[in-house]
Amino acid sequence: KQEVTQIPAALSVPEGENLVLNCSFTDSAIYNLQWFRQDPGKGLTSLLLIQSSQREQTSGRLNASLDKSSGRSTLYIAASQPGDSATYLCAVTVRWGKFQFGAGTQVVVTP
Amino acid sequence: SQTIHQWPATLVQPVGSPLSLECTVEGTSNPNLYWYRQAAGRGLQLLFYSVGIGQISSEVPQNLSASRPQDRQFILSSKKLLLSDSGFYLCASGQGTYEQYFGPGTRLTVT
Repeated sequence: KQEVTQIPAALSVPEGENLVLNCSFTDSAIYNLQWFRQDPGKGLTSLLLIQSSQREQTSGRLNASLDKSSGRSTLYIAASQPGDSATYLCAVTVRWGKFQFGAGTQVVVTP
Repeated sequence: SQTIHQWPATLVQPVGSPLSLECTVEGTSNPNLYWYRQAAGRGLQLLFYSVGIGQISSEVPQNLSASRPQDRQFILSSKKLLLSDSGFYLCASGQGTYEQYFGPGTRLTVT
């Protein structure tokens, strides 16, 4: 069974520092990997989707890498801002229409 | 992109009462639809998914049921709520192995 792990569970950084968030999965047979942001009491907002054939995706200050063979993905957020404070979740598509989520990393960016 | 609507946003119900949560989707047709539950500090637990009208798959045995009366409508129900049904319920929409979109969620408190 696919297991998705996100370490650390919580992270606090001063404003301006780069954020590095990790996601690992046990089975490399995935279709894609998606990163989400969740604000307290809200739904999930999709940030980036990386197809299994890709190694990275970029959107503005966000960059996500994918290494299928080692079962890892990393989300980089450059020059963090207090507005980046949120919980970040990763999810892998394990088979058609089915997704497995990590528990998330709670990020606090202090001014 | 897709827009997911959920209501109500919050709900407080006594133990033993019935439940009906509704989810509707705009901006797509024939989506896969999902109900997730999120407990505090934990990842998302898939409850039900549907690949079409009247087609429901349950991921975990529980006190809940789901129905899909229309292509873009997904309903989560219970005849008698338990305390353990409390949580944050999220509806999501997706197409095959592609990106998932989430609704704003419903906070359910069973008292």
